[in-house]
Amino acid sequence: KAGVTQTPRYLIKTRGQQVTLSCSPISGHRSVSWYQQTPGQGLQFLFEYFSETQRNKGNFPGRFSGRQFSNSRSEMNVSTLELGDSALYLCASSLRTGPPHGELFFGEGSRLTVL
Amino acid sequence: QQQVKQSPQSLIVQKGGISIINCAYENTAFDYFPWYQQFPGKGPALLIAIRPDVSEKKEGRFTISFNKSAKQFSLHIMDSQPGDSATYFCAALGAGSYQLTFGKGTKLSVIP
Repeated sequence: KAGVTQTPRYLIKTRGQQVTLSCSPISGHRSVSWYQQTPGQGLQFLFEYFSETQRNKGNFPGRFSGRQFSNSRSEMNVSTLELGDSALYLCASSLRTGPPHGELFFGEGSRLTVL
Repeated sequence: QQQVKQSPQSLIVQKGGISIINCAYENTAFDYFPWYQQFPGKGPALLIAIRPDVSEKKEGRFTISFNKSAKQFSLHIMDSQPGDSATYFCAALGAGSYQLTFGKGTKLSVIP
């Protein structure tokens, strides 16, 4: 069974640009979560989607947005990039439709560098 | 506000020894506590998890100890092996929530 697939794996952008990251969950998983990982702040929750609906949003500015499609694939977008947005963006999927929602399967992440 | 505090930041253990990583939380609404293991270049992977109605859970060489009154929980890795060298994250989940709150991580190095 294929794991969570994230594309692209690496990308470099400049300040002010925008970026879209893609995530394909494990087949049959309908919940998709996004986390930002940085050396200083660690793993921080961005948002969670189920059946194309955002059920939870973390404490990030409105420049960070996401969506989920009917096939459970998800994208996240960061507009007007800042240097501090440089991070590893991790997507995770879950088979569970309701709480507890801690059994997450993570992808290998998309490493974003903002210059 | 860091809601889950993890220590130590790094840990070096001899092969065959016991690795112990501790976490403390503040939010009493947390009711599910997983541990994740992350190797370089990979995403975190669920290792073991516990709920507060249980004081200890063991899976192979990995054991979670949970102290509800102290709001602390810990991961013990028995007979530590070089292959266990990774970063370990504790996490907590609130009832009805879909958001994991992670500790800052512990980089474990097991030396032969």
